[in-house]
Amino acid sequence: NAGVMQNPRHLVRRRGQEARLRCSPMKGHSHVYWYRQLPEEGLKFMVYLQKENIIDESGMPKERFSAEFPKEGPSILRIQQVVRGDSAAYFCASSPPDETGWENTEAFFGQGTRLTVV
Amino acid sequence: GQNIDQPTEMTATEGAIVQINCTYQTSGFNGLFWYQQHAGEAPTFLSYNVLDGLEEKGRFSSFLSRSKGYSYLLLKELQMKDSASYLCAVRDLWGNKLVFGAGTILRVKS
Repeated sequence: NAGVMQNPRHLVRRRGQEARLRCSPMKGHSHVYWYRQLPEEGLKFMVYLQKENIIDESGMPKERFSAEFPKEGPSILRIQQVVRGDSAAYFCASSPPDETGWENTEAFFGQGTRLTVV
Repeated sequence: GQNIDQPTEMTATEGAIVQINCTYQTSGFNGLFWYQQHAGEAPTFLSYNVLDGLEEKGRFSSFLSRSKGYSYLLLKELQMKDSASYLCAVRDLWGNKLVFGAGTILRVKS
């Protein structure tokens, strides 16, 4: 059972370009979370998605950032017109459906995508 | 609001015991997690507390006091490979997300 898979591991973009980060959750997991980690800082929640639904996007910047988790395929975090301040590690985490006892279940994290904007 | 505090850095000696504290003030609480993160890698789950008391798991133990908004992670018989960042995180009331502290960088020296 593969873990949470993120790609690419490293991504370099010029200012103004678009960045697309992909996350495939663990098998059987239907909840996906995106976090951003700036150097020397903790993980900051961005968005929580279930299949085809955004449940909580309270941590997403209002502009340029969007996320989706389609019925088929990976979850995508999309950053349009990137700026230097977007340089960070972006982590995806997944967890199983609520009926499996989420109360005692941790979220499993992927290896992250390190975005560098030049 | 959400506020989670932990020391920025700690240093300990191989074979010793170290305690990493975490205090939190959150608008809702549905469990506290500790994660370990080595540089450039994914956070990995260490422990989970939702009720007051101590949870022991091998060399790692975690304690929670909900009335005090306080937790600690105890690492025994420290090994060099324990050098990492330790992240304290509180799950919100609806179980939607984890709110993380900035992490404590632990350096284990021989």
